[in-house]
Amino acid sequence: RKEVEQDPGPFNVPEGATVAFNCTYSNSASQSFFWYRQDCRKEPKLLMSVYSSGNEDGRFTAQLNRASQYISLLIRDSKLSDSATYLCVVKGAGTYKYIFGTGTRLKVLA
Amino acid sequence: GAGVSQSPSNKVTEKGKDVELRCDPISGHTALYWYRQSLGQGLEFLIYFQGNSAPDKSGLPSDRFSAERTGGSVSTLTIQRTQQEDSAVYLCASTEAPAFYEQYFGPGTRLTVT
Repeated sequence: RKEVEQDPGPFNVPEGATVAFNCTYSNSASQSFFWYRQDCRKEPKLLMSVYSSGNEDGRFTAQLNRASQYISLLIRDSKLSDSATYLCVVKGAGTYKYIFGTGTRLKVLA
Repeated sequence: GAGVSQSPSNKVTEKGKDVELRCDPISGHTALYWYRQSLGQGLEFLIYFQGNSAPDKSGLPSDRFSAERTGGSVSTLTIQRTQQEDSAVYLCASTEAPAFYEQYFGPGTRLTVT
């Protein structure tokens, strides 16, 4: 089983739609969680960290469910510019390694 | 402020040649990471530096790969006797410290071995 798993997609959604991605992780000791966005042929860019209580940044909401070992990303009112691959990243306590999922591809259609 | 920079942005080399890839992390960031990403694939961890030390080199694919970091800043990834399977984007990232901090990536070096 992979340490971090994501549905590769693609998720094709119309503009204005709400879309949600999940990411599951296998190590219950994981402590830090992030969502990154990667555009085609570009480097990953931090979208948001995921806090235990959940957090929101504009149209983006991240949630952590420790009991079921998954994190989620909700995008409301999708824009064409949201089209990208979304990477889930998990890090254990006291470790240096960041474990990346293979990403979920989102296409927002006009 | 300045982000992570990498050079060259693109490198085309012939099979069997050596290449050097450079990474300049964000000033003050003590932790530095190298990753490799092949087309359509996820990020593959290569090596991690804390200061000038590399506690974990286990991600390096073979002994043709080596890396160093000097002055707690610039890092160089060297690939000797390049092979076609080395073709990929090599990404460097830095963090303030290897704890809860977010990683910031450079734009990568696209390596093509012909």
